Amino acid sequence: DAKTTQPTSMDCAEGRAANLPCNHSTISGNEYVYWYRQIHSQGPQYIIHGLKNNETNEMASLIITEDRKSSTLILPHATLRDTAVYYCIVAPNTDKLIFGTGTRLQVFP
Amino acid sequence: EPEVTQTPSHQVTQMGQEVILRCVPISNHLYFYWYRQILGQKVEFLVSFYNNEISEKSEIFDDQFSVERPDGSNFTLKIRSTKLEDSAMYFCASTAYRDSPLHFGNGTRLTVT
Repeated sequence: DAKTTQPTSMDCAEGRAANLPCNHSTISGNEYVYWYRQIHSQGPQYIIHGLKNNETNEMASLIITEDRKSSTLILPHATLRDTAVYYCIVAPNTDKLIFGTGTRLQVFP
Repeated sequence: EPEVTQTPSHQVTQMGQEVILRCVPISNHLYFYWYRQILGQKVEFLVSFYNNEISEKSEIFDDQFSVERPDGSNFTLKIRSTKLEDSAMYFCASTAYRDSPLHFGNGTRLTVT
């Protein structure tokens, strides 16, 4: 079973920041937080991952709380193409990722 | 940017038939995976493969399933005798290192009739 809890769905206006929360209160010290997304029925797409520190790349930012029990994925300027299901996964490596039900993000004009 | 490619995009087969799903991982990657997603359900891990052997497999990956890397570029998933409940999207993935992000293909939709 997935070790994370995410809201079922969220809406975001185009051009605004989308903040997607994830709870992972049982995360172990050696586990990373990975974020993937799935647009329609395409293959999952990697977004970002982190261990303790906040991370940023060209797609998104990842904010991890100091106790590591929760995190937030930030899409700074959401576009219609960011409409997707977003998965937060905790794992020590990518050997066996367990996908939950994720958050369905709807970006509207 | 290099991609994981999967063929065919859609495969229709009759129950009891053997089917082989094909994947070409990214060329310098060493770790290979199969996942599946039944329509409307979660993405499920099937198997991981490294150094020409299975590293880990899920309960779903029973004796009806097998994987092979027949040459330096292809990675295949074989289902020996398909069942109706094998109908799903099958995703192949690869990565260079165990803790690096997975790169997924766009899947093969398998329909068993």
